[in-house]
Amino acid sequence: KQEVTQIPAALSVPEGENLVLNCSFTDSAIYNLQWFRQDPGKGLTSLLLIQSSQREQTSGRLNASLDKSSGRSTLYIAASQPGDSATYLCAVRLPTNAGKSTFGDGTTLTVKP
Amino acid sequence: DAGVTQSPTHLIKTRGQQVTLRCSPKSGHDTVSWYQQALGQGPQFIFQYYEEEERQRGNFPDRFSGHQFPNYSSELNVNALLLGDSALYLCASSLFLGQGNSPLHFGNGTRLTVT
Repeated sequence: KQEVTQIPAALSVPEGENLVLNCSFTDSAIYNLQWFRQDPGKGLTSLLLIQSSQREQTSGRLNASLDKSSGRSTLYIAASQPGDSATYLCAVRLPTNAGKSTFGDGTTLTVKP
Repeated sequence: DAGVTQSPTHLIKTRGQQVTLRCSPKSGHDTVSWYQQALGQGPQFIFQYYEEEERQRGNFPDRFSGHQFPNYSSELNVNALLLGDSALYLCASSLFLGQGNSPLHFGNGTRLTVT
């Protein structure tokens, strides 16, 4: 059974700081890994999708890396802004069960002005 | 380009009642998945629909059922509601073929409260 863990559960940083969010998964034979952002009471916004054959993906100030052998992914946010405050979730899919994404419980980020 | 739309946004029901939630996928997508998100937790997979058939199912009882229509829109039905069914219900759409390359796109969800 695939399990996804995100530590820490909450993180508070001053504006302008670079930061890293962590995602760990137990079954390394993943199909892909996707990072999402969720604002309070809202749905999930897709940030980055990394396929199993890729090591990283970049979008603007965001960079996601994938290390399947260690069962880890990181989301790097450069020059954080108060508007980045949200809960960040990672989700993985297995090739044997590609229709199902397994999510972590997220890291709630607060960026203070 | 219309994204994933869900209705209604909020719903209050009484224990034992039945509820139907609706979802229209992102334009161009043919697959709809439903997730349940309890407060403070990550979404849990309920099931996935493609070509009007349930293709995969998570660990949810038969009280949870669904349907997909020829226009790819979908409904989630929950019978005999329990207090524990109170949650945010999220619909996600994607492309079935090449799921490794197709990111999930989510709607804003339906907040269900069971009293």
